[in-house]
Amino acid sequence: AQKVTQAQTEISVVEKEDVTLDCVYETRDTTYYLFWYKQPPSGELVFLIRRNSFDEQNEISGRYSWNFQKSTSSFNFTITASQVVDSAVYFCALGANNAGNMLTFGGGTRLMVKP
Amino acid sequence: DTAVSQTPKYLVTQMGNDKSIKCEQNLGHDTMYWYKQDSKKFLKIMFSYNNKELIINETVPNRFSPKSPDKAHLNLHINSLELGDSAVYFCASSPYRGREYEQYFGPGTRLTVT
Repeated sequence: AQKVTQAQTEISVVEKEDVTLDCVYETRDTTYYLFWYKQPPSGELVFLIRRNSFDEQNEISGRYSWNFQKSTSSFNFTITASQVVDSAVYFCALGANNAGNMLTFGGGTRLMVKP
Repeated sequence: DTAVSQTPKYLVTQMGNDKSIKCEQNLGHDTMYWYKQDSKKFLKIMFSYNNKELIINETVPNRFSPKSPDKAHLNLHINSLELGDSAVYFCASSPYRGREYEQYFGPGTRLTVT
């Protein structure tokens, strides 16, 4: 069975603060993929990043960075110098071979960035 | 051009009615999915189709029947709608080989059953 846990249901920060969204996953597969999606108030799901289980290199894209640690089964997402437009619900998801092509999503973290 | 499109965007209907949601992707992907997002934002897979064949059917009531006329379309038909069916339904697609997990989502259809 696969499971994704996002323990933070809601986070509120003030603009320009850095914020880290936590994601912990469980899977018995050795080959798997981890994702982050953003769901802004408009409702669509926006793909942010995909990382496979063999690539533990951290990634930075502008103000976004991701820290993948297999030893702790975590794939955390940091937004540096947050902006009001970052306000959204962020989902972490897991895909693994034994689960077909389906993604298992975490419960989401609602991030509110106040001016 | 919209990669994954869904119609309608909003659907309001009464209990007991039958309704359909359409999904089309122009990405040339082999696999399509339906997800349900409940009022607490929890996202869960419902169905997965590969080249018009059902490959995943999670625990979904028989009232929900996906239909795939070709690999670019996966429609969702719901019979005898219930209040608990109110949710946002997302269609998604992905390539089959090598990038199976790279799923692209449609804009969602908000279904409200009264």
